[in-house]
Amino acid sequence: TQLLEQSPQFLSIQEGENLTVYCNSSSVFSSLQWYRQEPGEGPVLLVTVVTGGEVKKLKRLTFQFGDARKDSSLHITAAQPGDTGLYLCAGYMEYGNKLVFGAGTILRVKS
Amino acid sequence: DAGVTQSPTHLIKTRGQHVTLRCSPISGHKSVSWYQQVLGQGPQFIFQYYEKEERGRGNFPDRFSARQFPNYSSELNVNALLLGDSALYLCASSPGPENSGNTIYFGEGSWLTVV
Repeated sequence: TQLLEQSPQFLSIQEGENLTVYCNSSSVFSSLQWYRQEPGEGPVLLVTVVTGGEVKKLKRLTFQFGDARKDSSLHITAAQPGDTGLYLCAGYMEYGNKLVFGAGTILRVKS
Repeated sequence: DAGVTQSPTHLIKTRGQHVTLRCSPISGHKSVSWYQQVLGQGPQFIFQYYEKEERGRGNFPDRFSARQFPNYSSELNVNALLLGDSALYLCASSPGPENSGNTIYFGEGSWLTVV
């Protein structure tokens, strides 16, 4: 059983569409991070959220941390083929010192 | 500046053999962590080292061991390889201990195939 459940597992959309990826847990996290990983490379950090209810924007990407710090979402507006990749959520549990990852969401944006 | 570098990038081993994977952190970073990423899954935490001391260990058998050297580089060793050890092994470095507000940076990983 994954501590962080990501959904959907796979998403294939057309260029210009919007999408949301979810990351849920029954546990409280002191912080949550979102990474993007391309084939043959390591994950690259997109954002870290630490405060319940926090919203961060990175160009067309909007990240939200749930009020109870148990869930997070990533919303992409007007997706582009360059957004294609594996999106991973990860977090540090309260009083924990190891980064826990979700299984990831594979996003494919078709032109 | 160079990022996190890992070697080898790809290797094939036979069941029962031993493997050593190497990682050089970003210059100035004193913390190194190792993760295993099986195809189709997210990375799983194996070890964290900070200032040459083990700071955390994931749920992996004793066949997995690691160490950090005085220059902060690190090795991950896996003994008695099993087919299920086939995975991408990622090294990550950060200036200080993880979960202390430091961003961690991943290398490109070492692809291990056990046949």
